[in-house]
Amino acid sequence: DSGVTQTPKHLITATGQRVTLRCSPRSGDLSVYWYQQSLDQGLQFLIQYYNGEERAKGNILERFSAQQFPDLHSELNLSSLELGDSALYFCASSLTGFHETQYFGPGTRLLVL
Amino acid sequence: AQSVTQLDSHVSVSEGTPVLLRCNYSSSYSPSLFWYVQHPNKGLQLLLKYTSAATLVKGINGFEAEFKKSETSFHLTKPSAHMSDAAEYFCVVTRRGAGNMLTFGGGTRLMVKP
Repeated sequence: DSGVTQTPKHLITATGQRVTLRCSPRSGDLSVYWYQQSLDQGLQFLIQYYNGEERAKGNILERFSAQQFPDLHSELNLSSLELGDSALYFCASSLTGFHETQYFGPGTRLLVL
Repeated sequence: AQSVTQLDSHVSVSEGTPVLLRCNYSSSYSPSLFWYVQHPNKGLQLLLKYTSAATLVKGINGFEAEFKKSETSFHLTKPSAHMSDAAEYFCVVTRRGAGNMLTFGGGTRLMVKP
């Protein structure tokens, strides 16, 4: 158990809908990362937050947004969902966000029908 | 820019025989390198990491990897495979000293035959 929690574990929704994925980092970690794992794209970095501020952005679509709250939990919002958004979404956390080990949560499996 | 190539998408070994999972990286800067393992329906677990200390890195569960700058490689090895080693393995690079964005290889699925 990494100490990173993600909810929900599974999510099934329809095209055009909006969903929110939630992540709680390990106790004491200030940085949160979001990754998407899909069959065709593999594992891709989406976005990083550090102590409430956006730190780095990867291949994140404009339909997707994230934020980190004062209690350091993070939410990833996915809107206008398409079939191709079906994937496993991982959250990871690290102490400060500079080339340290990232600890991954169990992931949220999203299925868009 | 940085990238990672895992040379084999699938590797099959017999239980008790050595494991070799190959990884080559490309980085314009001094890299930090990691191996992560993903068991079916599980999250990613760190096996080991290289951050410029010893070039031979020991990890959990008997795995180790050697950083070879001249060959830009970071291959993962284990002397004797166990059935529980069957999983997907990811070689990962990040740029040391600036940010912490991980770049993943395509993964190698390790199968262990009894």
